[in-house]
Amino acid sequence: EAGVAQSPRYKIIEKRQSVAFWCNPISGHATLYWYQQILGQGPKLLIQFQNNGVVDDSQLPKDRFSAERLKGVDSTLKIQPAKLEDSAVYLCASSPLGTSGRNHEQYFGPGTRLTVT
Amino acid sequence: QQQVKQSPQSLIVQKGGISIINCAYENTAFDYFPWYQQFPGKGPALLIAIRPDVSEKKEGRFTISFNKSAKQFSLHIMDSQPGDSATYFCAASHSGSARQLTFGSGTQLTVLP
Repeated sequence: EAGVAQSPRYKIIEKRQSVAFWCNPISGHATLYWYQQILGQGPKLLIQFQNNGVVDDSQLPKDRFSAERLKGVDSTLKIQPAKLEDSAVYLCASSPLGTSGRNHEQYFGPGTRLTVT
Repeated sequence: QQQVKQSPQSLIVQKGGISIINCAYENTAFDYFPWYQQFPGKGPALLIAIRPDVSEKKEGRFTISFNKSAKQFSLHIMDSQPGDSATYFCAASHSGSARQLTFGSGTQLTVLP
């Protein structure tokens, strides 16, 4: 079974530029998460989708961050304009939560390392 | 109340030794406690998880001990190997939060050969 795919793996941009990250979850997983992981810290949830609906985006800085999950499969996370403090690894995770059964384990992709200069 | 506190921040163990990482939580609604292992440049990978209806769960060299009354849980890595050198995160979730994971701050484990 293929894992969670993310691209690009690395991105360097200047502050005030925009950037987009892409995630393809494990096939059949209804729930998709975007996390921000700052160096030396645990992942912090930004947004949770179930199918193509938003479950929780309370931690998403909506003045500069946006995310969508069209057709309930792939998702994109965008930052516009980027700030220095956005330098982090952006992780996508997916889970069978919301499909049949009780399994809600989360499986993470490799992440995108963003450096804002 | 959503925090999960993890210690130590870093841990150095000799090959063959026992590595112990501790976590504590406040929210009594938490009912699922996974541990994730993360290697540099990789995403976190689920290692082992426990629910509060049991006090211990063992999978190979990895054991979770759970103390519901103290609101603490720990990861024990027996016969630690250099390949276990990674960052370990504890986490917690409950159904009322749509199963969102609250992560600890991480423990960087180094196993010396």
